[in-house]
Amino acid sequence: QSVLTQPPSVSGAPGQRVTISCTGSSSNIGAGYDVHWYQQLPGTAPKLLIYGNSNRPSGVPDRFSGSKSGTSASLAITGLQAEDEADYYCQSYDSSLSGSDVFGTGTKVTVL
Amino acid sequence: EVQLVESGGGLVKPGGSLRLSCAASGFTFSSYSMNWVRQAPGKGLEWVSSISSSSSYIYYADSVKGRFTISRDNAKNSLYLQMNSLRAEDTAVYYCAREGGLFRPYYFDYWGQGTLVTVSS
Repeated sequence: QSVLTQPPSVSGAPGQRVTISCTGSSSNIGAGYDVHWYQQLPGTAPKLLIYGNSNRPSGVPDRFSGSKSGTSASLAITGLQAEDEADYYCQSYDSSLSGSDVFGTGTKVTVL
Repeated sequence: EVQLVESGGGLVKPGGSLRLSCAASGFTFSSYSMNWVRQAPGKGLEWVSSISSSSSYIYYADSVKGRFTISRDNAKNSLYLQMNSLRAEDTAVYYCAREGGLFRPYYFDYWGQGTLVTVSS
């Protein structure tokens, strides 16, 4: 069980905007730790999508954006496209766990 | 081009051992911390272990502490994960991932294709 909670699934029609939440607590996101986001297409390795809450690596379309507030973070996809159908994971650090980077529970995005 | 290629996965009995390798190329391996992240079939991602560039700092998830050992050989541009006392719940695809960023939480900017470890009798 992860300390970062995401909705199991979200869906939208092509062209629509969808958002994915990542809810944490005072020992992770609420403590000020950054949040990163990954996209995992079916059968492939995860790919870094957003780092440092809102920064896009080179090559990531600006349809993807991230934000953070309080104990939560969000990933937004605007102008949803068929190729965005994938699993999305948030990642942060939790000071109550030894070690420890933590991933969110993951969200499946379905393009209707 | 950054490349990470894992190997060493396979079928092992409960209580057995396995050593995973990750061959790195396309970047100065000795300058980066590296990680292992796993994904059980149909499940989410789980961080397993990290090692700093000079092996000075090593961390493990509680779920593997005392059973797994991460190491690296900078001369061979390789990362390793020695897994002992394997359990059924260790069954997963194991990814090696390069660490990026200046402070915690670091992000994982490059990933290998993964190697499947199956623990079953």
